[in-house]
Amino acid sequence: QSALTQPASVSGSPGQSITISCTGTTSDVGGYNFVSWYQQHPGKAPKLLIYAVSDRPSGVSDRFSGSKSANTASLTISGLQPEDEAEYYCTAYTTSRTPLYVFGTGTKVTVL
Amino acid sequence: QLQLQASGPGLLKSSETLSLTCSVSGASITSSSYYWGWIRQPPGKALEWIGTVYHTGDTFQNPSLNSRVTLAADTSKSQFSLRLTSVTAADTAVYYCARFVGFDYYMDVWGKGTTVIVS
Repeated sequence: QSALTQPASVSGSPGQSITISCTGTTSDVGGYNFVSWYQQHPGKAPKLLIYAVSDRPSGVSDRFSGSKSANTASLTISGLQPEDEAEYYCTAYTTSRTPLYVFGTGTKVTVL
Repeated sequence: QLQLQASGPGLLKSSETLSLTCSVSGASITSSSYYWGWIRQPPGKALEWIGTVYHTGDTFQNPSLNSRVTLAADTSKSQFSLRLTSVTAADTAVYYCARFVGFDYYMDVWGKGTTVIVS
């Protein structure tokens, strides 16, 4: 099972908006609305940002939003802040044989 | 507040068996809405799903790990465990335990992670 494809890095200035893409197939991203996004700061455990493509858990800033089109999901960070500098991963449920969960390759976000 | 804490040996030799336990506090692992499982992250690399276990003992595993993985849940101790046999240097990683939301397929609570080094 191949990992979902994410850009290796994305950067932006404080206050700007950036978008991270997550490309899969019809067996994962495109087939179900079970895409989630996680933020990971160095040396820390991942933190859930978005689930079910675009739902936000309570306590997560509304500056984070998710969407999906065909086989590509996207995470948008609006009003970029220094504390947003971290690694971001997407995950999708898959029925392409197994495993059940496939992760993205990860995207390093740099706040300039 | 739900907390997960992974524990186990931090250093192993090739061919040995890795055994990790995740202790859950603040919630019951018998809840019908959740699964419990493991994710690992080799140094400098992406996350990889290892497998999940339901409180009934039903398991789902990443086939890339073949038959080396055994998952189990101990409801009496509010713990679940991972056993990985015949480890190699490629199994060196930070291992996270997490709660999986079954109906929407995502991980909502993660433990801090435990580092495992295979020499």
